[in-house]
Amino acid sequence: ETGVTQSPTHLIKTRGQQVTLRCSSQSGHNTVSWYQQALGQGPQFIFQYYREEENGRGNFPPRFSGLQFPNYSSELNVNALELDDSALYLCASSRPGLAGGQQETQYFGPGTRLLVL
Amino acid sequence: GENVGLHLPTLSVQEGDNSIINCAYSNSASDYFIWYKQESGKGPQFIIDIRSNMDKRQGQRVTVLLNKTVKHLSLQIAATQPGDSAVYFCAENSYGGSQGNLIFGKGTKLSVKP
Repeated sequence: ETGVTQSPTHLIKTRGQQVTLRCSSQSGHNTVSWYQQALGQGPQFIFQYYREEENGRGNFPPRFSGLQFPNYSSELNVNALELDDSALYLCASSRPGLAGGQQETQYFGPGTRLLVL
Repeated sequence: GENVGLHLPTLSVQEGDNSIINCAYSNSASDYFIWYKQESGKGPQFIIDIRSNMDKRQGQRVTVLLNKTVKHLSLQIAATQPGDSAVYFCAENSYGGSQGNLIFGKGTKLSVKP
């Protein structure tokens, strides 16, 4: 186990609703990244948070937003849910890379399975 | 549990044999590569990584090979065991790019026959 925890494990919503997913990072990690994994696909990067600020974003619309808290935990919020938002949402934590330096390994949590009806 | 193996390339091996899983990456500027293992219903689990200044790295029963000339990555698993059955993803990241922007390959489903 990585020490990254996510809640809830499963969630069912209807189109148009809003959802909040939560992630607690591994001890000693202060960077959190969120990914969306559709069935049968590899994870796709949504965004990353470092020092409570967004630190990079993938090709996702603004209705996907996030937060990071002083204890490094993070939330992913999705507004106006669409059927295609049904997926496994993964959180990964990592140590910060050295300024201008190497990337750090990302360790994933178990994910939240979201079903939009 | 969820089936992460739908429509994925599948590699079937006999228990005890060696497995080789291949991956072609997309960005010649990528300088950090990781292999993850994902079992059904779970998140990806880190296996091994390699940086672009190396062409081979070994772990316990696993070896990663990097060929930057043809943008190819491989994962070798020695003496494959039933517990190795899972979907394997390679991921790449670029120096200077977004720290979080891991780009994942399509994945390969490894099936180990006892």
